[in-house]
Amino acid sequence: AQKVTQAQTEISVVEKEDVTLDCVYETRDTTYYLFWYKQPPSGELVFLIRRNSFDEQNEISGRYSWNFQKSTSSFNFTITASQVVDSAVYFCALSEARAAGNKLTFGGGTRVLVKP
Amino acid sequence: SAVISQKPSRDICQRGTSLTIQCQVDSQVTMMFWYRQQPGQSLTLIATANQGSEATYESGFVIDKFPISRPNLTFSTLTVSNMSPEDSSIYLCSVASPLISYNEQFFGPGTRLTVL
Repeated sequence: AQKVTQAQTEISVVEKEDVTLDCVYETRDTTYYLFWYKQPPSGELVFLIRRNSFDEQNEISGRYSWNFQKSTSSFNFTITASQVVDSAVYFCALSEARAAGNKLTFGGGTRVLVKP
Repeated sequence: SAVISQKPSRDICQRGTSLTIQCQVDSQVTMMFWYRQQPGQSLTLIATANQGSEATYESGFVIDKFPISRPNLTFSTLTVSNMSPEDSSIYLCSVASPLISYNEQFFGPGTRLTVL
């Protein structure tokens, strides 16, 4: 069965510092998808990124970047020059291609608090 | 992407009563899912809502407690029956469809339920 672990439950930084969120996953599938979602205090889940297991290229989108390492089963997320608006809970999730309906398995989440 | 609405957005209910949550999508989707997020916790899949047939429930969730309907490709309901304070959670609807975006799930704004 698949599993997603986010070891950091809470990270506190001062504005403009970089913050890296760790995500480690377990799956028996060779084809799978990894996701990051942001959940601000309002509660809505905001999609950030999807990667498939065959694409290990790192990605950068503005202040966000993702490091996918299949060898260590990790999909880490870095926020560069953090801002107060980045304060939220961030979830890493996994979907196996063979899973009916592409069900998502979520990690426990990491709460990021960015102080001014 | 898909635009998803949920009703009600929040509610406070008495122990022993039932609440039905509605999920409406602005386009036809293949898959609809219901998740529960208990306070301070991650998201857990309750069930997959299947159009025209019974929902598929995850381990630990049963139809008597969480009956689900899906009369068409744009609408689903989740009922939380005989509620207890332990049912206080955010309930989120999500959708997936290869017609919109392959292997990507979009989430509704959630329903915040408090049971007294």
